[in-house]
Amino acid sequence: QVQLVQSGTEVKKPGSSVKLSCKTSGDTFRSYTITWVRQAPGQGLEWMGRVLPILGIRNYTQKFQGRITLTADKSTNTAYMELSSLRSDDTAVYYCARDIPSGSDTFTFWGQGTLVTVSS
Amino acid sequence: DIQMTHSPSSLSASVGDRVTITCRASQSISNYLNWYQQKPGKAPKLLIYAASTLQSGVPSRFSGSGSGTDFTLTISSLLAEDFATYYCQQSYTTPVTFGHGTRLEIK
Repeated sequence: QVQLVQSGTEVKKPGSSVKLSCKTSGDTFRSYTITWVRQAPGQGLEWMGRVLPILGIRNYTQKFQGRITLTADKSTNTAYMELSSLRSDDTAVYYCARDIPSGSDTFTFWGQGTLVTVSS
Repeated sequence: DIQMTHSPSSLSASVGDRVTITCRASQSISNYLNWYQQKPGKAPKLLIYAASTLQSGVPSRFSGSGSGTDFTLTISSLLAEDFATYYCQQSYTTPVTFGHGTRLEIK
C-alpha cells in the first residue's frame, strides 16, 4: 500500500523560506511523479508543480516560478518542496500527492498535509 | 490556464436524495476529468477518473459522466457520510487546475 507521510506544522516569518518533506513507501519511488497542491484556509485546491524523481524533471505553475523548488532524494524515497519569499497569503495546507499511472495527473494517493502559517 | 467552474457552489440536500453536481471547463478537455471528495481537515479522496471511471473502493452510488467541456458527478442516494466538498480537476494539460468546489450540506 502506497503511503505518503509529510513533515509537521511550520510557522514562518514573511520573507523567509520553508522546506517541506514527503516520504513515500510502498512502491518504486523513483518511477512516479510527486505533485504538490496547496489549499489556503477555506479555499480550493491549487496545483503548484510536480517532480519525476527518475529523470529529475520538474514542472511548476507560472504563479510560483522563481519561488518554488521541487527536489527528490531517491536514497530516502523523500520528495521536498521549498518555497521562498513567503508572504501571508502563502498560509495554507500543503499536500503532496502521487498519480496513478505516472504522468496521468490523477491523484490517487495523498499525504496528510502540512500546515504552513506565515505571520509576523 | 483552463478554468474549471462548479455549479452550484453549495447545495443542501437530505439523506436519500439524488444529487448532481456540474463542472464546466473553459475549453475542451476530452475526458481528462477527475472528481475528488474532501472532508474537513482531510486530504482529498479520488472518486472518479477519466470522467466516468469509478476509483477502486468507491461506492457505486457515485457516478460521473461527460466529455469535452461539460461534466457531472451524481450521487444516487445520499448517505450521511457523503456530506463534504467535491472538486473537479482537469488532467488534460498543465497547469493542472481544480474547480473551486461544491459544498454539499445537510438540509
